[in-house]
Amino acid sequence: AAGVIQSPRHLIKEKRETATLKCYPIPRHDTVYWYQQGPGQDPQFLISFYEKMQSDKGSIPDRFSAQQFSDYHSELNMSSLELGDSALYFCASSLEESGAYEQYFGPGTRLTVT
Amino acid sequence: RKEVEQDPGPFNVPEGATVAFNCTYSNSASQSFFWYRQDCRKEPKLLMSVYSSGNEDGRFTAQLNRASQYISLLIRDSKLSDSATYLCVVNPGRNTDKLIFGTGTRLQVFP
Repeated sequence: AAGVIQSPRHLIKEKRETATLKCYPIPRHDTVYWYQQGPGQDPQFLISFYEKMQSDKGSIPDRFSAQQFSDYHSELNMSSLELGDSALYFCASSLEESGAYEQYFGPGTRLTVT
Repeated sequence: RKEVEQDPGPFNVPEGATVAFNCTYSNSASQSFFWYRQDCRKEPKLLMSVYSSGNEDGRFTAQLNRASQYISLLIRDSKLSDSATYLCVVNPGRNTDKLIFGTGTRLQVFP
């Protein structure tokens, strides 16, 4: 079965640079979530989108923005990168109408800021 | 205090053993509950949802006690491939569909 696709899988950036992470949800899934997992930490919710509209917002820095496009893929834009932004960034998707809140995660993008 | 708490372990058990993990959550309005497993440096994978009536999937059994705000996962006949970190995950409700993760319980199954 098709899974969540994320690109790139690895990204190395310098401080103050920008980065764009992409997420392609499971086909027919209408909701996309972004999570950040720092070294040795549990995943922290950043932001979510349902039917191309922001549905919830967590601990996402103002330097980050995201959107969901008409084909349901999503992009997380990160500007003025800091060393502390180095982490695994996971995208997850779900089917809202199922009501089960089961989220399926992509393989993640490992961002390293130097 | 974290919203979802787990014993970090590690739990070191021999193949074939039965092992149980526990988890507590602080928000009584929480709506949905899950167990995910995560292998080192990989994505969390949904193991099973947890229902009030309890549910079983092969060697895995999950229980939810809403009154005590307690969730459990039982693994029978442990396999080497069960070695991973098991994450207790909660949807807090309150018009949000985000997930709150526990810090995970590390399981190591040895031959």
